[in-house]
Amino acid sequence: AQSVTQLGSHVSVSEGALVLLRCNYSSSVPPYLFWYVQYPNQGLQLLLKYTTGATLVKGINGFEAEFKKSETSFHLTKPSAHMSDAAEYFCAVSDAGGFKTIFGAGTRLFVKA
Amino acid sequence: GAGVSQSPSNKVTEKGKDVELRCDPISGHTALYWYRQSLGQGLEFLIYFQGNSAPDKSGLPSDRFSAERTGGSVSTLTIQRTQQEDSAVYLCASSLMAGGTETQYFGPGTRLLVL
Repeated sequence: AQSVTQLGSHVSVSEGALVLLRCNYSSSVPPYLFWYVQYPNQGLQLLLKYTTGATLVKGINGFEAEFKKSETSFHLTKPSAHMSDAAEYFCAVSDAGGFKTIFGAGTRLFVKA
Repeated sequence: GAGVSQSPSNKVTEKGKDVELRCDPISGHTALYWYRQSLGQGLEFLIYFQGNSAPDKSGLPSDRFSAERTGGSVSTLTIQRTQQEDSAVYLCASSLMAGGTETQYFGPGTRLLVL
C-alpha cells in the first residue's frame, strides 16, 4: 500500500526566505509523485510532478522538487518566498498500475512580510 | 466550460436528509474522481470512474454513499441519511484518462455542513 507523510502541518517563512516543504512516501513499486497547491477559496492545481527521468523537477511559480529514492522523499522548495505563495500544499503519490492517487494531509504555508 | 465545475458550492442540511452533489468534468476527460476533504485532513479518495468501466468504489466510507456518472460526463455523488461526520468539502477532479501519471484537474468543491 502507498502512503504519504507531510512533515509539519504549518510552516511559516519570511518573504524572500527559502521555502522547504517536506514529503516522504511509502510505495512498494516505483512511484509517481505530485505536489498540488490550494490557494484560499480555490480548487487544487498541479504544481509539478515526477514520473520518470530527471529527478529534479521544476514546476510553476519557481517551485521545484527532487525525487530521492534512497530517502523516499520528494521535498518541495522555492529559493525565495513571495506573499502570494501563502496556500496549502499537498504531496501525493500514485503508481503506474493503479489509478488512485494518495494525498498527504497537507502543509499550510504562511509568508510573513 | 474551461474547468471542472461543481454545484452547489455550499450545502447546509439537517441530519438524516439526503443530499446530491454534482460535478461537471472538463469536456473530453474520461476519468473522474471524488474526494472528501475534512477539516485538518488530507484528501480522502472516495470513488473514481474511467470511461464506461465499472467504477472503483473502494474509498466510499459507507453504503450511505453512492455515485453515478451519466453518459460518461456529469457525475452525481449522493449521501443518504446524512450524519454530522459527513460535514466536509467534497472535491471532484477529472483527468484526460486514468493512470498514475495523469494530472488531475480539480473543481472548487462543495462545502457540506450537516446540522
